[in-house]
Amino acid sequence: AQSVTQPDIHITVSEGASLELRCNYSYGATPYLFWYVQSPGQGLQLLLKYFSGDTLVQGIKGFEAEFKRSQSSFNLRKPSVHWSDAAEYFCAVGANDYKLSFGAGTTVTVRA
Amino acid sequence: GAVVSQHPSWVICKSGTSVKIECRSLDFQATTMFWYRQFPKQSLMLMATSNEGSKATYEQGVEKDKFLINHASLTLSTLTVTSAHPEDSSFYICSASKAGIFYEQFFGPGTRLTVL
Repeated sequence: AQSVTQPDIHITVSEGASLELRCNYSYGATPYLFWYVQSPGQGLQLLLKYFSGDTLVQGIKGFEAEFKRSQSSFNLRKPSVHWSDAAEYFCAVGANDYKLSFGAGTTVTVRA
Repeated sequence: GAVVSQHPSWVICKSGTSVKIECRSLDFQATTMFWYRQFPKQSLMLMATSNEGSKATYEQGVEKDKFLINHASLTLSTLTVTSAHPEDSSFYICSASKAGIFYEQFFGPGTRLTVL
């Protein structure tokens, strides 16, 4: 079965600074990888996804992620964060059984 | 687009009553729908997977008789929490996948259930 680890529970970043959220996955084959963002009391919004091809994936809101097979990682980055980026971020891995496995999530706080 | 709605967005009920939550795919046919549960400050936990016209498949540890799932059409799935108790209070999120694109799920906005 697949699994996801997000090592950072909480990250605080200054507005305008860069952000990187870590995600490591465990899966025997090529995974389907996703990053979602969740604002308080809201559902999940898809930021970006990786299925195959170019390992650097561009998403919405200025986010990007890089798939590194050798490191089993799919880290999310943003060059300059905005106050509106404060939220909970979830990495997820999908497999051929149609199911998604989510990481524990990383809370991002943006300070002025 | 691929829009999924949930109704109600929040509900408060008394202990012992049943509550039904609807999940609809608004602009696509959803062959498979998923129901998740999320506790405060925690990740999403998959409860069950349902395919249109079939019985739902529940994850280990999820009570089938407590959480009744019906996927009667390609655009509607319902989750009924029967004889709800305070420990059932949670945030319930549904998602749906399109026919032939099983690896991507589109999420609803969630339903906050509070059982008094």
